[in-house]
Amino acid sequence: KNEVEQSPQNLTAQEGEFITINCSYSVGISALHWLQQHPGGGIVSLFMLSSGKKKHGRLIATINIQEKHSSLHITASHPRDSAVYICAVRSEKDSNYQLIWGAGTKLIIKP
Amino acid sequence: KAGVTQTPRYLIKTRGQQVTLSCSPISGHRSVSWYQQTPGQGLQFLFEYFSETQRNKGNFPGRFSGRQFSNSRSEMNVSTLELGDSALYLCASRGRTGPNYGYTFGSGTRLTVV
Repeated sequence: KNEVEQSPQNLTAQEGEFITINCSYSVGISALHWLQQHPGGGIVSLFMLSSGKKKHGRLIATINIQEKHSSLHITASHPRDSAVYICAVRSEKDSNYQLIWGAGTKLIIKP
Repeated sequence: KAGVTQTPRYLIKTRGQQVTLSCSPISGHRSVSWYQQTPGQGLQFLFEYFSETQRNKGNFPGRFSGRQFSNSRSEMNVSTLELGDSALYLCASRGRTGPNYGYTFGSGTRLTVV
């Protein structure tokens, strides 16, 4: 079993829909990252969380440390949101702060 | 300020050759990490350099090596290329140590081994 699990693996939705991508992890963490990767490879860091909730534009990320779970929400989704969304955690036991990666969720937003 | 720059963007090599990839971090960032991304394996950590020292290393064979220069630019070298080395190689820079600072990724170098 992977230490970081994302669901769903693939998600197709219509423009305007509310999107939720989930990330569960099994290790104690010091931080959790959400990243976005567009076709062609470029990766953009969206959020880094250690507790609570963060919001940036139409994106919202939440984390529940007790339940070892985080969600990424997209409101009023748009075709340009189509990308792979990756969750990565930093183990609290790793003093070198290396990341453990989820497999990613491929999101397609249809116009 | 300029982002993380990786060169070249695309590369085609034949088996047995060696290759060197370059990563220039954001100005002022001293940490550079390298990752390999393949369709079946996702992102796999290769190594991290900080102030010219390799601080951590993933589970890759010795054919994969790297270094960091005094200006924080980093290079990654793969010797005796194999078909399975075909992948997107990403580097990321980070401005400070500690758990609460994010990464900035480059656009990657797509390596194809034929």
